[in-house]
Amino acid sequence: AQKVTQAQTEISVVEKEDVTLDCVYETRDTTYYLFWYKQPPSGELVFLIRRNSFDEQNEISGRYSWNFQKSTSSFNFTITASQVVDSAVYFCALSERGAAGNKLTFGGGTRVLVKP
Amino acid sequence: DGGITQSPKYLFRKEGQNVTLSCEQNLNHDAMYWYRQDPGQGLRLIYYSQIVNDFQKGDIAEGYSVSREKKESFPLTVTSAQKNPTAFYLCASSPQPAQGQPQHFGDGTRLSIL
Repeated sequence: AQKVTQAQTEISVVEKEDVTLDCVYETRDTTYYLFWYKQPPSGELVFLIRRNSFDEQNEISGRYSWNFQKSTSSFNFTITASQVVDSAVYFCALSERGAAGNKLTFGGGTRVLVKP
Repeated sequence: DGGITQSPKYLFRKEGQNVTLSCEQNLNHDAMYWYRQDPGQGLRLIYYSQIVNDFQKGDIAEGYSVSREKKESFPLTVTSAQKNPTAFYLCASSPQPAQGQPQHFGDGTRLSIL
């Protein structure tokens, strides 16, 4: 069965520091998608990024970047030069091709606190 | 603006009572989902629907029921059989059940027991 693990439950940084969130996943499917979502204090989940299992190219989008490594089943996410508005809970999620209905399996989340 | 509307934002349930959480979307999405989030934990799938008049159980469907009579609406009923209903409930939708489509979420409903 698929599984997503976010070992860091909470990270506290000072504004302008970089913060990296770890995500490790388990799947037997060869085709799958990985996602990062942000949950601000207001509660809704905001989609940030998506990666498919065939594309290991790492990218940067503004202050966000991600590092996808199939060899270690990891999909880490970095916020560069953090800001107070980045304070939120961040979830990593997995969707397998074999899963009916585009179902997502979520990790437990990492709470990020950015202090001014 | 297009989006997903969940109501109410806060809901209180008495023992033995059924309550219904509303979820409406105007994104013209085919698939809709209900998740439960407990404090400090990730989201767990309760039910999902890929098309009108059809829905499937997720990982924690016991004590819950849903209907999908309209494409825009996917209400969730928390029945009295759900013995621990206190949680944050999130509704989501995606353009189609196709693999890899990101899901879009509503603002959630926080349910508590009186």
